[in-house]
Amino acid sequence: GQNIDQPTEMTATEGAIVQINCTYQTSGFNGLFWYQQHAGEAPTFLSYNVLDGLEEKGRFSSFLSRSKGYSYLLLKELQMKDSASYLCAVRPLGGSYIPTFGRGTSLIVHP
Amino acid sequence: DAGITQSPRHKVTETGTPVTLRCHQTENHRYMYWYRQDPGHGLRLIHYSYGVKDTDKGEVSDGYSVSRSKTEDFLLTLESATSSQTSVYFCAAGTSDEQFFGPGTRLTVL
Repeated sequence: GQNIDQPTEMTATEGAIVQINCTYQTSGFNGLFWYQQHAGEAPTFLSYNVLDGLEEKGRFSSFLSRSKGYSYLLLKELQMKDSASYLCAVRPLGGSYIPTFGRGTSLIVHP
Repeated sequence: DAGITQSPRHKVTETGTPVTLRCHQTENHRYMYWYRQDPGHGLRLIHYSYGVKDTDKGEVSDGYSVSRSKTEDFLLTLESATSSQTSVYFCAAGTSDEQFFGPGTRLTVL
C-alpha cells in the first residue's frame, strides 16, 4: 500500500516563492507526479519525477529524493492564477503501475 | 486539451436508479480510468481499463461497474445509485507515464 501526505492548505503572496511538500511511504516506488487543479476544473499534468534531483520547467520546479520518500513542488514568481490545488501522486513499481493520489494542497495566492 | 470528453457534465438522480456516465477519447490511448473526487479524500480510483474488454477494480469499486467495448469509450455504471455516490467523477486516459483528465461530471444523488 501507499501512504501519501501533503499539507491541506497554504497561502502565499503574489511574486513570492512557495514550496509544497509531499512525503510518501510505499512498498515499491516508480515515480512521482504533480498535477495542478483549478477549482471546478480537471487536473492538469505538471511533472513526473523518476530520478533524484530537481527538474525545472519555467516558474515550476519539482524535486525528488527517493531515499527520503520526499518530493516538493517549487513555484516561483507567484501569480494570482497559481491559486489552485496541487496534487501529488505516487506511481508504484509493478502491479498495475497506476498512481495513487494524495489529498492535495490548496494554495491561495493573495495580492 | 487531450481530446477527452465526459457526458453528462451534470446529473441529478434519485436513490435506487441506475446511472451511466460516458467517457470518450480521441487520442487512441490504451489506458482509461474512472476516479471520484470528494472533499478530504482527493482522487480515488474506481475502475480502470488497459484495453478493449480488459478492466480491473480500483480502490473504491463497490457499487460501480464499467465497460469498454471500443478503445475510445469507457462507461461507468452505478447499478443502483446511493447518496454516498454523490461526487465529482473524472475520467482519464493516457499512457503508463501520463494521464489526461476529462472535464468531470458532477453527480448528485437525492
